[in-house]
Amino acid sequence: NAGVTQTPKFQVLKTGQSMTLQCAQDMNHNSMYWYRQDPGMGLRLIYYSASEGTTDKGEVPNGYNVSRLNKREFSLRLESAAPSQTSVYFCASSFGKAGRYEQYFGPGTRLTVT
Amino acid sequence: DQQVKQNSPSLSVQEGRISILNCDYTNSMFDYFLWYKKYPAEGPTFLISISSIKDKNEDGRFTVFLNKSAKHLSLHIVPSQPGDSAVYFCAASGGTNAGKSTFGDGTTLTVKP
Repeated sequence: NAGVTQTPKFQVLKTGQSMTLQCAQDMNHNSMYWYRQDPGMGLRLIYYSASEGTTDKGEVPNGYNVSRLNKREFSLRLESAAPSQTSVYFCASSFGKAGRYEQYFGPGTRLTVT
Repeated sequence: DQQVKQNSPSLSVQEGRISILNCDYTNSMFDYFLWYKKYPAEGPTFLISISSIKDKNEDGRFTVFLNKSAKHLSLHIVPSQPGDSAVYFCAASGGTNAGKSTFGDGTTLTVKP
């Protein structure tokens, strides 16, 4: 059981470049989430998917898009990276709604935009 | 407006003593609270949770207390161990945020041997 996996672990982009962060879970969870964590701050929700086929904006969605490819996979795309998107990105999943079920987090992707 | 606040960025305690981590919230609709623990270069892991119908929940060395009138919760770790050194995040949900958790900024706990 791998839990939640994320690729890549590290990435450096130039301003304006695009990339997709991949996330997969093998726990048969219904809900998946993308967060960013900036230094000294908590986790801020970017997008989430309550179930396969649905996605919703979180607290900080601007500059990002997501795709819930199937029940297992939830990707996050940066179309035109900006230095303000330098952060650590965490994917998470939960059996049901995050507010009522604990979330399981991946190890994170450390992204630097120059 | 930050709805979940952890006002102490850091806390240092001696091994064997009690660690008390605090969390305040402003949204009176929050009715479910969770604590997560995070080691460097890893993702957060779930620690313990509490529903607003309770005022205490215990799991081994970890106890969470909820004071709804004060909109305050605390995590007690007894006895503290060096392996407990990590960042602890408080999270809350409820009302219009029922499907997702709002996180505090975290408290870094250091347990000295």
